[in-house]
Amino acid sequence: AQTVTQSQPEMSVQEAETVTLSCTYDTSESDYYLFWYKQPPSRQMILVIRQEAYKQQNATENRFSVNFQKAAKSFSLKISDSQLGDAAMYFCAYRSVSGNEKLTFGTGTRLTIIP
Amino acid sequence: GAGVSQTPSNKVTEKGKYVELRCDPISGHTALYWYRQSLGQGPEFLIYFQGTGAADDSGLPNDRFFAVRPEGSVSTLKIQRTERGDSAVYLCASSRKQVAYNEQFFGPGTRLTVL
Repeated sequence: AQTVTQSQPEMSVQEAETVTLSCTYDTSESDYYLFWYKQPPSRQMILVIRQEAYKQQNATENRFSVNFQKAAKSFSLKISDSQLGDAAMYFCAYRSVSGNEKLTFGTGTRLTIIP
Repeated sequence: GAGVSQTPSNKVTEKGKYVELRCDPISGHTALYWYRQSLGQGPEFLIYFQGTGAADDSGLPNDRFFAVRPEGSVSTLKIQRTERGDSAVYLCASSRKQVAYNEQFFGPGTRLTVL
């Protein structure tokens, strides 16, 4: 079974600065997807960024980028130019390429933005 | 277009009662997932529907939990003889499952409190 570990329960960053959230995972599969989801107080999970394991290039979406280290099974999220609206819980998630496509989530990191 | 909707938003019940939680997926989405998010945790997979059938119910914790999707659209999660440990946010997600990668779109969840 796959597991996802987020070792930072809480992080804070000054507005406009850069912050990195950590995630490690364990799997025996060679191909899979990794995700970062944002969950604001409204509870709705919002996809931030996705990485396919077969791609060596790190995914980027505007101010959000990842550092994907497949051999180390590490998948960190970097948020640049942090904004007040980035404050939320962030969850790292894993999904197999085949099968039922269920998501396996970490325990989350609460990100606080300091004005 | 409309996203995934879930009703009720909040549900308070007494130990031993029966509850039903409803999920309306995005129109045309054939795959539907239920997750449970306990306080301070990431969402955990419960059950996956492809069309009308439950393709994977391996995440249901015990036989008090049951879910249906009779017409391949709306789904209802049913919990019998509720226990205090069932208190959590129940999230629903849907996806198209017609292409190689299918993003799961989440609803806002139902917060269940068992007194």
